[in-house]
Amino acid sequence: DAGVIQSPRHEVTEMGQEVTLRCKPISGHNSLFWYRQTMMRGLELLIYFNNNVPIDDSGMPEDRFSAKMPNASFSTLKIQPSEPRDSAVYFCASSPDTIGDYNSPLHFGNGTRLTVT
Amino acid sequence: QKEVEQNSGPLSVPEGAIASLNCTYSDRGSQSFFWYRQYSGKSPELIMSIYSNGDKEDGRFTAQLNKASQYVSLLIRDSQPSDSATYLCAVAFYTGGFKTIFGAGTRLFVKA
Repeated sequence: DAGVIQSPRHEVTEMGQEVTLRCKPISGHNSLFWYRQTMMRGLELLIYFNNNVPIDDSGMPEDRFSAKMPNASFSTLKIQPSEPRDSAVYFCASSPDTIGDYNSPLHFGNGTRLTVT
Repeated sequence: QKEVEQNSGPLSVPEGAIASLNCTYSDRGSQSFFWYRQYSGKSPELIMSIYSNGDKEDGRFTAQLNKASQYVSLLIRDSQPSDSATYLCAVAFYTGGFKTIFGAGTRLFVKA
């Protein structure tokens, strides 16, 4: 079990540039989540996928944010154009979704620290 | 708007004492409840999961769930300086998939 893999670990970019964050979930997990963490707002759910299908994107802050999951082993979160207020740590997490009738816990990646100047 | 509320702290306890962390949630349809620990600069890691009313013990940790009061707690017995971290309460409910939302976290300091 290699765990959830995120890249890059750190990203520094200038305002207006496009940023793409990447995530490889744990093999066999069918749910994938993107979270953003800041001191002010805590850990916010941006979007989650179940079996590669976006289920709830109500947390995506605005149209500048988009996420895709083209297959079970890869997901991207894109910000275009980026703004300084997007600076945060972005976490990807995956889950096998259910254990019996209950959902199982999330497994987090190490996160991507994004700084937009 | 479904919410998870935690006291942000910081909560400071002496080494060896019991630390008590509390969480309330707004959605009565919530089905699964979790406590995660997050060290500074690290990702959240699972400590406990609880799905039914009552207590669940795992080593020095005990999670308590009261669905009628919409209340979840975590007790840490014999607190150690290594327990100093932010503790995140998480709640999951079904919306076509299991959506998990987090509280803001409680910062715990265990003084040696």
